[in-house]
Amino acid sequence: EDQVTQSPEALRLQEGESSSLNCSYTVSGLRGLFWYRQDPGKGPEFLFTLYSAGEEKEKERLKATLTKKESFLHITAPKPEDSATYLCAVRLTDSWGKLQFGAGTQVVVTP
Amino acid sequence: ETGVTQSPTHLIKTRGQQVTLRCSSQSGHNTVSWYQQALGQGPQFIFQYYREEENGRGNFPPRFSGLQFPNYSSELNVNALELDDSALYLCASSSYGLSYNEQFFGPGTRLTVL
Repeated sequence: EDQVTQSPEALRLQEGESSSLNCSYTVSGLRGLFWYRQDPGKGPEFLFTLYSAGEEKEKERLKATLTKKESFLHITAPKPEDSATYLCAVRLTDSWGKLQFGAGTQVVVTP
Repeated sequence: ETGVTQSPTHLIKTRGQQVTLRCSSQSGHNTVSWYQQALGQGPQFIFQYYREEENGRGNFPPRFSGLQFPNYSSELNVNALELDDSALYLCASSSYGLSYNEQFFGPGTRLTVL
């Protein structure tokens, strides 16, 4: 069965304290891994798409990487405004429209 | 460029009633996907519409149905509401034909079933 697992479930950071979030997947065929940020009560905001192992993408304090079995979202020197739930999702080769999401990692950054 | 919009923002219904949620896709996008997100969970795929036809469906019963209109906007209809249908309903738009189908989400409709 295709699965997407995110860890940790929650992360509390001090401002400036860098950390990484993990998204591991066991799927039959991967055609894209996506990272989203979601603020409470709002829709997910698109961050990155990763297509193949070894790929990296960066945006401000965020950097996403991909291997054959997992992806990491690195948060460098976070600020309080980086507090959100971070979701990863995979698109499978045999399912055009469906994104399969993990449960998310809730990140809180304190001043 | 106009983003994805959804209406209404919030909705309260009672068990057994029917509900219609609406979504306008981002300009330039021709595909709409619907997701259900329970509290503390990731979004679950309901179905996708392309060229006014359902183009993929998740593990949801037939009482969840949809429509897509010629302007690419979409509706999600849920009949015979159950308490477990209480969730945030998300609409996402994308462009069919782009290899990796990046989906952009609307703000969601919060449905509460009493």
